[in-house]
This record gives sequence, C-alpha cells and structure tokens, in this order.
Amino acid sequence: AQKVTQAQTEISVVEKEDVTLDCVYETRDTTYYLFWYKQPPSGELVFLIRRNSFDEQNEISGRYSWNFQKSTSSFNFTITASQVVDSAVYFCALSEASRGTYKYIFGTGTRLKVLA
Amino acid sequence: DSGVTQTPKHLITATGQRVTLRCSPRSGDLSVYWYQQSLDQGLQFLIHYYNGEERAKGNILERFSAQQFPDLHSELNLSSLELGDSALYFCASSVWRGELFFGEGSRLTVL
Repeated sequence: AQKVTQAQTEISVVEKEDVTLDCVYETRDTTYYLFWYKQPPSGELVFLIRRNSFDEQNEISGRYSWNFQKSTSSFNFTITASQVVDSAVYFCALSEASRGTYKYIFGTGTRLKVLA
Repeated sequence: DSGVTQTPKHLITATGQRVTLRCSPRSGDLSVYWYQQSLDQGLQFLIHYYNGEERAKGNILERFSAQQFPDLHSELNLSSLELGDSALYFCASSVWRGELFFGEGSRLTVL
C-alpha cells in the first residue's frame, strides 16, 4: 500500500496565484516525521521542512506555509503569490520506524509549473 | 550547499560495465541513504547504512552493492550495467531520524 500519496501529478498556475500541493500519508506509528523537498530543474533535492507527529501547529516561512492535520493524515503545502522560481517538482516524505531502523518514504511528486 | 558531496556528477558508460559512485556525508551524520531516480520518476530507496552497518535494503538489484567505510563515506557499486540503469543516483545523509540532506546526485548514462 502506498504510504505517501501526492495525487496531483502536475499543476500549472500563473505567477502570483496561490497554489496548494496535497500530501496524504499512511502510517501505524504514533511517532513519525513528515517532510517536504523541492527539486528544481537543476535536479538537486532541497529540504524545505520537517514536522513531527506531535506538532500540529501550522508553519509559515515567507511565502511558504504548511498545514498538518492528523485527523485527515494530510500535510499540505501552500505557496502564496507563486513565482516562476517556484517551478519545480515537490516531494512529500514520511519517516517511520521499520525493523530497527527508519525508512523514508517519498511520494511520487507534484510538478509545479508557474507561468509568467 | 547541503554539505553532502557526490562524485562523479556525470558518468557515461557502456552496457556491461561497472561503475562506482562515491558519497561523503555531512560532518557528523552517521546515516547514509542511496536513492535512484529514473527519468521523470520518483525516488526509489536503494539502501541505508548507519555508522558502517547496513540497516535496510530497498529495491536494490543484486548487480548493485554498497558499503560505508570507517570514515563514513559510502560507495555504490553498479555492475553489469544495463540501459535501464540510466538514472540520477542520490546519496543523502542525516543524523538518526533527522531530515535527509541530499547530494547533487550522480547522473549515470548507460549507452
């Protein structure tokens, strides 16, 4: 069963629009961590945020905000006033315990295209 | 700059050959993860090492092997290469259960 679902394969918006990237996860752990990563066209993977399962406070960092809701197992990412530089593939990930170690499970990614 | 160094950045080779990809983790990170990303695909987990010990295996082919050395750098060995092995190979490091910090990747092209 897929543990991290990013149902939106690709989203296109016009610059300055707000956009929300959805992430739904599945885990049996009571303690887990959630992450978002950005992969711009240059290819590197950039860490954006880490959230633990006990902290449901929303977080804002500049134009980026994250909404974590345990009740719906979702960890959504909103970009406000999008810019062309936000064009990238965004990955949501879950870290959960597995056989004495921790696995990091990535969603399939959402490609965001911001048009000028 | 994530602090994770991967070499080489680009590699072109022929089918049947063997290559070694190298990864130096961030200072202080004991965990090293390897991922494969094929064209327009997601990240496939290959293997995890912690302080020199293999801790988990993912979808790693038998033709592939890895190790982590006492100085914590890691190498991913790919042998009997096939066209389908062409991909971007990422190394990531972390503290125990921290966020993964990725290197810039090694782009392998098998012709």
